[in-house]
Amino acid sequence: QKEVEQNSGPLSVPEGAIASLNCTYSDRGSQSFFWYRQYSGKSPELIMFIYSNGDKEDGRFTAQLNKASQYVSLLIRDSQPSDSATYLCAVLMDSNYQLIWGAGTKLIIKP
Amino acid sequence: DVKVTQSSRYLVKRTGEKVFLECVQDMDHENMFWYRQDPGLGLRLIYFSYDVKMKEKGDIPEGYSVSREKKERFSLILESASTNQTSMYLCASSRRAPISYGYTFGSGTRLTVV
Repeated sequence: QKEVEQNSGPLSVPEGAIASLNCTYSDRGSQSFFWYRQYSGKSPELIMFIYSNGDKEDGRFTAQLNKASQYVSLLIRDSQPSDSATYLCAVLMDSNYQLIWGAGTKLIIKP
Repeated sequence: DVKVTQSSRYLVKRTGEKVFLECVQDMDHENMFWYRQDPGLGLRLIYFSYDVKMKEKGDIPEGYSVSREKKERFSLILESASTNQTSMYLCASSRRAPISYGYTFGSGTRLTVV
């Protein structure tokens, strides 16, 4: 059973601080990793994709991948109240090109 | 702007009714998926399809069926709705190998069975 694990939270972070979200996965052969943001009552939207070991930056968001340790993380710098949402980690299985989803981490940015 | 469109945002149905949830994508994607999402349970895959007239069971197919007669349309059918099928239903689509684009989701249908 391929698994993706996330801390469900809620993770509470002061406005302006760095929010750090973590995800571990069990399939060592996985190659592609995604972070989705889901606002309450809305559908998930893709915010970051990472394929290679190391960091990938997009504006205030940085995705970090460590394949040896099988974890992927998302950093949000200068956190804003509008960043309050549930963040879903997803891992692409190369065997059938399906995404395996974590249960999500609820992030709360406090003004 | 590419889109996955779900026919209804909110739906209220009675127990025992046959319910159709429709999903249409305009991205010429090969893959389409139906999920349900419940608090604390995350996204659970009901059915998916890799091609027209093709369907595969996901993790929780019981009580559901699907139809994909055209590439752009993927329908979820609740044969006899029950209260435990009250949930948020999300349709998604992707390229055959979504290596860097992942899935695109519709806006969701919140179904209440009374």
